[in-house]
Order: sequence, then C-alpha cells, then structure tokens
Amino acid sequence: DAGVTQSPTHLIKTRGQQVTLRCSPKSGHDTVSWYQQALGQGPQFIFQYYEEEERQRGNFPDRFSGHQFPNYSSELNVNALLLGDSALYLCASSLRGVFAEAFFGQGTRLTVV
Amino acid sequence: AQTVTQSQPEMSVQEAETVTLSCTYDTSESNYYLFWYKQPPSRQMILVIRQEAYKQQNATENRFSVNFQKAAKSFSLKISDSQLGDTAMYFCAFQIRTGGFKTIFGAGTRLFVKA
Repeated sequence: DAGVTQSPTHLIKTRGQQVTLRCSPKSGHDTVSWYQQALGQGPQFIFQYYEEEERQRGNFPDRFSGHQFPNYSSELNVNALLLGDSALYLCASSLRGVFAEAFFGQGTRLTVV
Repeated sequence: AQTVTQSQPEMSVQEAETVTLSCTYDTSESNYYLFWYKQPPSRQMILVIRQEAYKQQNATENRFSVNFQKAAKSFSLKISDSQLGDTAMYFCAFQIRTGGFKTIFGAGTRLFVKA
C-alpha cells in the first residue's frame, strides 16, 4: 500500500502564475481533503472532495479550486499566485461517512517568488 | 467559532521522562473526534492517538495517553518514557461532520527530547 502520494514535492513559481498540485489517495479511500500549512503554523482546511464534487470548503478565495477524478485522485489549482501562497500543501485521504483519522501525504512545498 | 488552542509553542523533556502537551478546543458540535498528530522534519503528518467524543474513557496507545475533559473542552497528550524519536511538532485537532468532514488543527507544539 503506497499510502497517500503527492506530486511534485517542491515547486517554485512566480507571482501571478498558476499552479497545479496532485494527490493520489490511500488505497480504498474515496475522499480527499487539501490543507495549507504556512511555516510554523498548523494546517488550514482548504476543501474536501468526494464523488468528484467539492463537499466542504474552508475560508479560501476562489483562486483556489480543485478537482477529483473517477479514480479518486485529486488536483489543487491555485491561480494568480501571491507571495502569501507560499506554504506546504498537504493532501489527506479518508473514507466518507466514517469518522476516522485522515492519512496524509508528505506534502508539496510551494514557494512563490 | 471552531478553534483549537495549543498554549505551549515549544517544550523540552529529558529522554525517558514524561511530558504533557496541552490542548483546548471550542465547538458547538456534540459529536466529534479528537486527534493528536505528530509531524517530524519529514513533514508527513502521523496519527498519534484519537478519541471519540462520546467515549468517557481516555484513549491510550502504548506510551501515549490522553486526558479528555469534555465539559472543559480539554484534550491533553501525555508522552511517557520519552524517546529521541518523539522530537517533532505535535498538533491537536478535532473533526466534525458538517456535510463533509472537516478537521480543525491547532498551531502546534514543538517538542524537543534531549539525550
């Protein structure tokens, strides 16, 4: 079992550009959540996807969007990048309908310059 | 507001000793789960222990145990026989069900275990 995998591991982008981050959930999981973790802080919930739809959203602007594919993998897109978007982006997978711990990937470190 | 407060930004403990990390939370939900996650320098969040809010008995997982006080909305983590490998950031979190499932994290406590 490969667990949750995220790609790429590191990324450097310029202000104003767009970025796409990818996540493959743990085998058997159908729900993917995305978090932003700024340096020295706890993860902040961005949104959650299940059945290819956004089910829950945190307090993030529309520049942050996502997608879930039929195989449950997911993408996080951020448009018009700002310096403040620099952070570790974590993906977590879980099984919908079950209160349970989420399994996290190792994250993508995004640096906006 | 749904928040998690970890009042200790940083703590240190001598190897083999016991340390307690504090956590308080605020939610109006009656049904939720509580977690402690560990984040070592490798960045990957690892579940340490979880507690169902409807259970009064405190969860225990080997050297890790919690003190769950539901009325006080307190959820502290006790690490016994601390090991060098316990050095990491520790995050307290709770999970609620509102349509989907949403997990709220605290700001974390950095724990150093000294030899």
